[in-house]
Amino acid sequence: GQNIDQPTEMTATEGAIVQINCTYQTSGFNGLFWYQQHAGEAPTFLSYNVLDGLEEKGRFSSFLSRSKGYSYLLLKELQMKDSASYLCAVKDSNYQLIWGAGTKLIIKP
Amino acid sequence: NAGVTQTPKFQVLKTGQSMTLQCAQDMNHEYMSWYRQDPGMGLRLIHYSVGAGITDQGEVPNGYNVSRSTTEDFPLRLLSAAPSQTSVYFCASSSLDGISGANVLTFGAGSRLTVL
Repeated sequence: GQNIDQPTEMTATEGAIVQINCTYQTSGFNGLFWYQQHAGEAPTFLSYNVLDGLEEKGRFSSFLSRSKGYSYLLLKELQMKDSASYLCAVKDSNYQLIWGAGTKLIIKP
Repeated sequence: NAGVTQTPKFQVLKTGQSMTLQCAQDMNHEYMSWYRQDPGMGLRLIHYSVGAGITDQGEVPNGYNVSRSTTEDFPLRLLSAAPSQTSVYFCASSSLDGISGANVLTFGAGSRLTVL
């Protein structure tokens, strides 16, 4: 079967750096997405990786290793507003998105 | 731009009742979809559409119907509500510029449904 694994919850301190991991086993691979979802709100797009390596967007970076079935989202200079769930999703061979359950990130002052 | 508009935001139903969740987008997106989100689980695809007149089933289609008569609208119908359909429902749309590309989903605000 197809599977996306992410930690359920992580805690970090304001101003610090946190890395959220995502491992996947899917039938085919056509890209990996990270979405941010604040409590009670809709998911919003953060990043997309289809080739191995690091994609940087301001305070957020996303890394992909296709051979290892592994990605991470790196958040730098954490702010209280970064408290949210982070969803990893992989587009499979049928171009359908398979979603992880999400990682709830708690930021403490 | 309004983006993706979902109504209602909250709904309480009794078992056996039917209802329709409305979804409209103003971005001229070809692709529209319905997901449900339950605690501890990833988003699960219910139904999707790649254009007017075309719909297909996702991972969890049972108990739900959809239609796509226009590019803008994609309503989700619950035929006979069951407590297992208590969930948060999201409508999402995207363009289909190169289906293998980074077609980013734009989500509606969500509809929280409780079936008693």
